Amino acid sequence: SQQGEEDPQALSIQEGENATMNCSYKTSINNLQWYRQNSGRGLVHLILIRSNEREKHSGRLRVTLDTSKKSSSLLITASRAADTASYFCATGPMNRDDKIIFGKGTRLHILP
Amino acid sequence: NAGVMQNPRHLVRRRGQEARLRCSPMKGHSHVYWYRQLPEEGLKFMVYLQKENIIDESGMPKERFSAEFPKEGPSILRIQQVVRGDSAAYFCASSPPTGNEKLFFGSGTQLSVL
Repeated sequence: SQQGEEDPQALSIQEGENATMNCSYKTSINNLQWYRQNSGRGLVHLILIRSNEREKHSGRLRVTLDTSKKSSSLLITASRAADTASYFCATGPMNRDDKIIFGKGTRLHILP
Repeated sequence: NAGVMQNPRHLVRRRGQEARLRCSPMKGHSHVYWYRQLPEEGLKFMVYLQKENIIDESGMPKERFSAEFPKEGPSILRIQQVVRGDSAAYFCASSPPTGNEKLFFGSGTQLSVL
């Protein structure tokens, strides 16, 4: 089964700076997804990039996917205090009956 | 259109009691996932269900844990004879029949075992 592994485990940056998080995985995928989790809450889907795409944008989010390296990155531009959260990647399986597995996440802290 | 509903939000049990966690998926969703999360850690996969069918339960402990998703009603995660190590946040997510490209999560149930 696929598994995403994020790095760094924790990241602290100043408000206004850009934040970059990376995700590596092991097997073939149909898509890769990024989620955000605020403290004590469930995960919220942010963006999905398909295996035949290389880059995707959504507002201040930019996701890249390199299937040859089995890696993805999530860039948050012009960070805000509200971006403080944990971010997880998850690999969308090729088979409908394969489970979606999450990595351990990157804890992002935006400093005022 | 209501989102994924989990209840209770908080559940306190004494060692040896049973815990029943409920999850109502989004309307039209036929697939449910259960995940467990310890503080400062990621989500650990437990079980993946379709209505009346367990697709993958490879993340479920062999004893004391069971899950169901009946034709009618919510999905239930049942933990029998709870121990302190079962204390965690349990999250449910649902996806539509068309594919598991995007999961919709509930707010979780925080289980505390005294």
